[in-house]
Amino acid sequence: DSGVTQTPKHLITATGQRVTLRCSPRSGDLSVYWYQQSLDQGLQFLIQYYNGEERAKGNILERFSAQQFPDLHSELNLSSLELGDSALYFCASSTGTYTGELFFGEGSRLTVL
Amino acid sequence: AQSVTQPDIHITVSEGASLELRCNYSYGATPYLFWYVQSPGQGLQLLLKYFSGDTLVQGIKGFEAEFKRSQSSFNLRKPSVHWSDAAEYFCAVGAEGSYDMRFGAGTRLTVKP
Repeated sequence: DSGVTQTPKHLITATGQRVTLRCSPRSGDLSVYWYQQSLDQGLQFLIQYYNGEERAKGNILERFSAQQFPDLHSELNLSSLELGDSALYFCASSTGTYTGELFFGEGSRLTVL
Repeated sequence: AQSVTQPDIHITVSEGASLELRCNYSYGATPYLFWYVQSPGQGLQLLLKYFSGDTLVQGIKGFEAEFKRSQSSFNLRKPSVHWSDAAEYFCAVGAEGSYDMRFGAGTRLTVKP
């Protein structure tokens, strides 16, 4: 158990819809990262927050957005969903001091039909 | 930006045999290098990391990796593979002062009895 909690574990929705994925980092961790894992793209870095502020941005689509709240949990919002958005979305957290060790949640599997 | 290549998509080894998983990186300065393991249905777990110093680093579960700057490589090794090592292995590269960590496509390890 990494201490990172992601909900929901599985989500099935239709094209054009909007979903929100939630992540609770390990106790004490200030940084939250979001990754997308798909068969054709591998593990893609989306975005990173540190103590409520956006710190780094990767291959995140404009239809996607994220935020980190004062209690440090984070949400990833995916809108106008397309079939190609079907993937496993991982949240990871770290202390904020750059040690390179990310603690990953078990992921949220999104299926868009 | 940094990038990682894992040339082998899938490797099969017999239990008790030695293992080497290849990783090549691209980064202009000194990289921070990592190996993560993902068991089925799980998030990623850090096996080991290299920041500086001794180029041979030891990790958990009996794994080790060697940083070779001249070859831009960071190969993962284990002298004797156990059936429980069957998983997906990801090499990742980061950079000093950056929280942007990039992952390779992964190598899936199958262990034969």
